[in-house]
Amino acid sequence: EPEVTQTPSHQVTQMGQEVILRCVPISNHLYFYWYRQILGQKVEFLVSFYNNEISEKSEIFDDQFSVERPDGSNFTLKIRSTKLEDSAMYFCASSDITSGIKETQYFGPGTRLLVL
Amino acid sequence: AQSVTQPDIHITVSEGASLELRCNYSYGATPYLFWYVQSPGQGLQLLLKYFSGDTLVQGIKGFEAEFKRSQSSFNLRKPSVHWSDAAEYFCAVGGATNKLIFGTGTLLAVQP
Repeated sequence: EPEVTQTPSHQVTQMGQEVILRCVPISNHLYFYWYRQILGQKVEFLVSFYNNEISEKSEIFDDQFSVERPDGSNFTLKIRSTKLEDSAMYFCASSDITSGIKETQYFGPGTRLLVL
Repeated sequence: AQSVTQPDIHITVSEGASLELRCNYSYGATPYLFWYVQSPGQGLQLLLKYFSGDTLVQGIKGFEAEFKRSQSSFNLRKPSVHWSDAAEYFCAVGGATNKLIFGTGTLLAVQP
């Protein structure tokens, strides 16, 4: 069964450093997402991406964050200058766009980011 | 504002016992409702979803959920729990846009 993969599984970084989290969505999917979960809190939507542009973003997704689909298979989340409060589990998801929200979003296993 | 509440942070049941995980939502329009499960080290796997029609929906692994508009609830049930069901369960709501709004999750432990 096809699945969403994410690398790395864990990342430790120093405050102020840039990090790039990588995701390989399911190959025929067209809609991509990033969510995050701070320890003990809810899974929160960050951004959705379709047709090489952001289709929606949350208030969390400020100028420190960016997303990119650099090639036909990867989908990345960049945090330019990490803060302590960016420590969280980051989930990538993808879906087949054919009927919007009614399509299942398939999630990856997550990247645990720790900012020191 | 849209929100999802899962009142039970942690539940322990005995293997073979029945299970009900609670989910309440707040949403201004017709909600689309989902239950996801996360096993350790795994991603979020969809168990079932409700869009319209029959308010009792069947999912994978023997789970079902019932949409009750009057109670703004979408509780997840299973008649007989297996040890492999131990995991964290997330309820989510979606609507006009593609983003999902999640609850805080319920951690299920299964006693032998």
